[in-house]
Amino acid sequence: DQQVKQNSPSLSVQEGRISILNCDYTNSMFDYFLWYKKYPAEGPTFLISISSIKDKNEDGRFTVFLNKSAKHLSLHIVPSQPGDSAVYFCAASEGSGGYQKVTFGTGTKLQVIP
Amino acid sequence: EPEVTQTPSHQVTQMGQEVILRCVPISNHLYFYWYRQILGQKVEFLVSFYNNEISEKSEIFDDQFSVERPDGSNFTLKIRSTKLEDSAMYFCASRGDTANYGYTFGSGTRLTVV
Repeated sequence: DQQVKQNSPSLSVQEGRISILNCDYTNSMFDYFLWYKKYPAEGPTFLISISSIKDKNEDGRFTVFLNKSAKHLSLHIVPSQPGDSAVYFCAASEGSGGYQKVTFGTGTKLQVIP
Repeated sequence: EPEVTQTPSHQVTQMGQEVILRCVPISNHLYFYWYRQILGQKVEFLVSFYNNEISEKSEIFDDQFSVERPDGSNFTLKIRSTKLEDSAMYFCASRGDTANYGYTFGSGTRLTVV
């Protein structure tokens, strides 16, 4: 049962253009959504998050959009840089305190071409 | 910047042997997690730990798995009798009492069961 889905396993974008990574979820109990970036041989690195009560959160070149009615979120990277090449995981959180846990999607491998 | 440290980076073990994967979370964090990623698959939740006890665990975390925080700094994952299918990257993560639920992950331990 895949509660968090990233349907595009890979994405290639020219340097300087916009990268859009998409994610869908099924569990209505998720109340926080996160994006992580992962380089080979490293652990995931937290990038940006959004509460379910918001529809947009921005941090520098990274913006996350949430459409609750469609159970869809996306990460926009503008402008894309070669150093952004990595696997991006969408994740969703439910519960609070010690009962909080995060469920990850399968990841999208982003390649930014110089 | 504070980081989560995992040792060893790579562990090779024979099927049926016990392994202990070690993690040193960030010192003022309260919540601790183990995740794993089988090669080419998604990052999967194993267990969360808070206030010296397990708060949540997944179906993967069966009787062969256990966690401990023996001395207030280390957080260990023990697999009692390893199986071939336990081969994966195991990631430890910790979280403070933050609103964004962003975990800090370690670099992982690659477990290879032969």
